[in-house]
Amino acid sequence: NAGVTQTPKFQVLKTGQSMTLQCAQDMNHEYMSWYRQDPGMGLRLIHYSVGAGITDQGEVPNGYNVSRSTTEDFPLRLLSAAPSQTSVYFCASSYGTANTEAFFGQGTRLTVV
Amino acid sequence: GDSVTQMEGPVTLSEEAFLTINCTYTATGYPSLFWYVQYPGEGLQLLLKATKADDKGSNKGFEATYRKETTSFHLEKGSVQVSDSAVYFCALSDRQGGSEKLVFGKGTKLTVNP
Repeated sequence: NAGVTQTPKFQVLKTGQSMTLQCAQDMNHEYMSWYRQDPGMGLRLIHYSVGAGITDQGEVPNGYNVSRSTTEDFPLRLLSAAPSQTSVYFCASSYGTANTEAFFGQGTRLTVV
Repeated sequence: GDSVTQMEGPVTLSEEAFLTINCTYTATGYPSLFWYVQYPGEGLQLLLKATKADDKGSNKGFEATYRKETTSFHLEKGSVQVSDSAVYFCALSDRQGGSEKLVFGKGTKLTVNP
């Protein structure tokens, strides 16, 4: 029972490089989201998706792109990495109603130098 | 917009002490309320939830009651263990404009010493 799988677990990028953080879930959840976790800031929503082909911006979307071509996958793209994007990134999925549990991946620790 | 405010940490307790972590919220609708826990090196996992006023969520000895009159959802445990050391997040989920969003507090780090 894999749940939500994120890759990679750790990544170091140089300023200006691009990369994609992968997220996959095997629970047939419609709702998926990306958060970043910074010290003293809690979790902040970057982008989310309510189903395949549908995405929307969260609280801190600048510098990130997402797409949702399948129910299972929700990759997060950093277009041109900046030191301000150094953070821990979490992907989550849920059935998408107000009462349901969100399942989180183990996170990707990204450092931009 | 919706927001969650929880007590600043870190909190350090001795084993078997009583725990309270305060959480208050602001929401325009009728949110569901959650406590999530993050153990070191892991992602968040649901600890408990409550979906309407006066509901009490409970799990692993932790409890929280949805108080609409005080817009609060305080987390309590009568006797903490070393294994409870983690970061605790209060969160609300509200449906606005047809979309579902989780809004988190900043987290409270709990350390329990033997």
